[in-house]
Amino acid sequence: QKEVEQNSGPLSVPEGAIASLNCTYSDRGSQSFFWYRQYSGKSPELIMSIYSNGDKEDGRFTAQLNKASQYVSLLIRDSQPSDSATYLCAVNPLGYRDYKLSFGAGTTVTVRA
Amino acid sequence: DGGITQSPKYLFRKEGQNVTLSCEQNLNHDAMYWYRQDPGQGLRLIYYSQIVNDFQKGDIAEGYSVSREKKESFPLTVTSAQKNPTAFYLCASSITRNTEAFFGQGTRLTVV
Repeated sequence: QKEVEQNSGPLSVPEGAIASLNCTYSDRGSQSFFWYRQYSGKSPELIMSIYSNGDKEDGRFTAQLNKASQYVSLLIRDSQPSDSATYLCAVNPLGYRDYKLSFGAGTTVTVRA
Repeated sequence: DGGITQSPKYLFRKEGQNVTLSCEQNLNHDAMYWYRQDPGQGLRLIYYSQIVNDFQKGDIAEGYSVSREKKESFPLTVTSAQKNPTAFYLCASSITRNTEAFFGQGTRLTVV
């Protein structure tokens, strides 16, 4: 079983719609969770971090964490063409014992004008 | 400006040669990491270091070596033992463990 799994995509949404990205992880001890955005040919850029159960909002982005279900999601509201990118979910699967940030394979989002 | 600098941006290497990728940060971060990304795939951890003079192997360390002699610097050497070195290499750093990591702009290595 992979440590971090994301819905495979690609995900195509119309401009102005909500894009919903999902991520599951295997280690129940995981404590920190991150979403990165990566444009083609560029390095990943951190867009959200979440550490506690519940929702965390930042502008048009909302991260949701459910540790009991080992699930973290990212919602992009009012999607814009500039949101077209690959979104990477990252999890620290060993909690506070060590650092080994593991990434999912990514979900590619295309926002149609 | 604070940040993470990787050099060079593009690198070409002949088969059988070792090559060293540079990574420097001026963020005063304790932890530094090297990841490899292949087309259409996620990031795989090569090595990481949580403190000067200490580093640990990640998931795909074979054929790679690192050093951490200074807090600011974490160079990666791709040796001739690495069977398929053509990839996008990303260096990252974080304040300490369990916090968000920030990435450099990457080095694209091609073996010719």
